[in-house]
Amino acid sequence: GAGVSQSPRYKVAKRGQDVALRCDPISGHVSLFWYQQALGQGPEFLTYFQNEAQLDKSGLPSDRFFAERPEGSVSTLKIQRTQQEDSAVYLCASSWTSGRKYEQYFGPGTRLTVT
Amino acid sequence: QQQVKQSPQSLIVQKGGISIINCAYENTAFDYFPWYQQFPGKGPALLIAIRPDVSEKKEGRFTISFNKSAKQFSLHIMDSQPGDSATYFCAANHGSSNTGKLIFGQGTTLQVKP
Repeated sequence: GAGVSQSPRYKVAKRGQDVALRCDPISGHVSLFWYQQALGQGPEFLTYFQNEAQLDKSGLPSDRFFAERPEGSVSTLKIQRTQQEDSAVYLCASSWTSGRKYEQYFGPGTRLTVT
Repeated sequence: QQQVKQSPQSLIVQKGGISIINCAYENTAFDYFPWYQQFPGKGPALLIAIRPDVSEKKEGRFTISFNKSAKQFSLHIMDSQPGDSATYFCAANHGSSNTGKLIFGQGTTLQVKP
């Protein structure tokens, strides 16, 4: 079946612009995660949704970062007033149920470059 | 604070050899330890995972060895192939966490030479 999809795959933004990154999880997956992966580093957790509820947003680096999943399926990560340090690959992952949320399946990521 | 330390940073192995990547953790509340494989331009793919109640888990050519007392776990790739060339990440999950937040190591770039 189809895996996790993300769009756009690449995004170039000028410093100060707002961006929106989309994630389509695997159909039926209850749990959805966002991670940030800097070049040459491991992914770092940003936020977690169970259905439409955002249960953990402890990894969001600042109040410029906002995520939503209004209908419990597609999710959007929004970054306001982008800064150069926001340049990274943003990964979305989903998992079947809250009970098996550790088994996460990742999308290909969106590479964000802030100039 | 780096909670999962991974080594080596890079590894070169001949085809047919054994690749070994090591990870160490400090938080004894971690109770799920997956390994992910990532190719350039792709997202990480779940390879194999283990819980601390077992010392070893094998799936095909991939084996996780787990040492609870030493707080270490490792990935062994037997009969390494050029197609295994990728970056490998270990990770851990906090058992009492209400989320599935994974804490990743820094990654190991594996090159398997033909």
